Amino acid sequence: GAVVSQHPSWVICKSGTSVKIECRSLDFQATTMFWYRQFPKQSLMLMATSNEGSKATYEQGVEKDKFLINHASLTLSTLTVTSAHPEDSSFYICSARGGSSAYEQYFGPGTRLTVT
Amino acid sequence: GQSLEQPSEVTAVEGAIVQINCTYQTSGFYGLSWYQQHDGGAPTFLSYNALDGLEETGRFSSFLSRSDSYGYLLLQELQMKDSASYFCAVTLDSNYQLIWGAGTKLIIKP
Repeated sequence: GAVVSQHPSWVICKSGTSVKIECRSLDFQATTMFWYRQFPKQSLMLMATSNEGSKATYEQGVEKDKFLINHASLTLSTLTVTSAHPEDSSFYICSARGGSSAYEQYFGPGTRLTVT
Repeated sequence: GQSLEQPSEVTAVEGAIVQINCTYQTSGFYGLSWYQQHDGGAPTFLSYNALDGLEETGRFSSFLSRSDSYGYLLLQELQMKDSASYFCAVTLDSNYQLIWGAGTKLIIKP
């Protein structure tokens, strides 16, 4: 149980275009979802926290107009990278909590974004 | 500010025991978690300590001392598949946001 899927697993896009990444909790209702960004050989950087039906809370330094997060249901959250630039290339990972464990976060497999 | 300190790299031999330490300074504290991440993969949950003491789960154990702002992950009977990065993370508040350490790369030699 407690499976989180993420789609797509990798994407290559041209500079200036927008990319949407979906995060789904498959077998539980996710009360909270988190979006992270990870650079090679570095730690996870929390970008934002989203609760179903409310606006996401962005961490300091994360542009909310560039990284649009929508948590429309208890099983789906989306991250849209708008007007992507090469510096946005990274590994984006979502996680969700709301399974049987209150403190455990269940991670999606991640999305590798490359902006050319 | 928030900070978690853990060694950047640890090397051990297959079959041995290794301990990965984590010290933290955070504005809040609900608990200390450990996650494992293989190259190119997503983190997977290993353990969570909210109270002082040792938690054991199979070959892995995790320890917490809240008074010392310190914890560790103990891996026993190391296997080659345990080669990965290990992250400690502090749960700050009731929203269960995690603040992550930089990660420890565990290299296991045969």
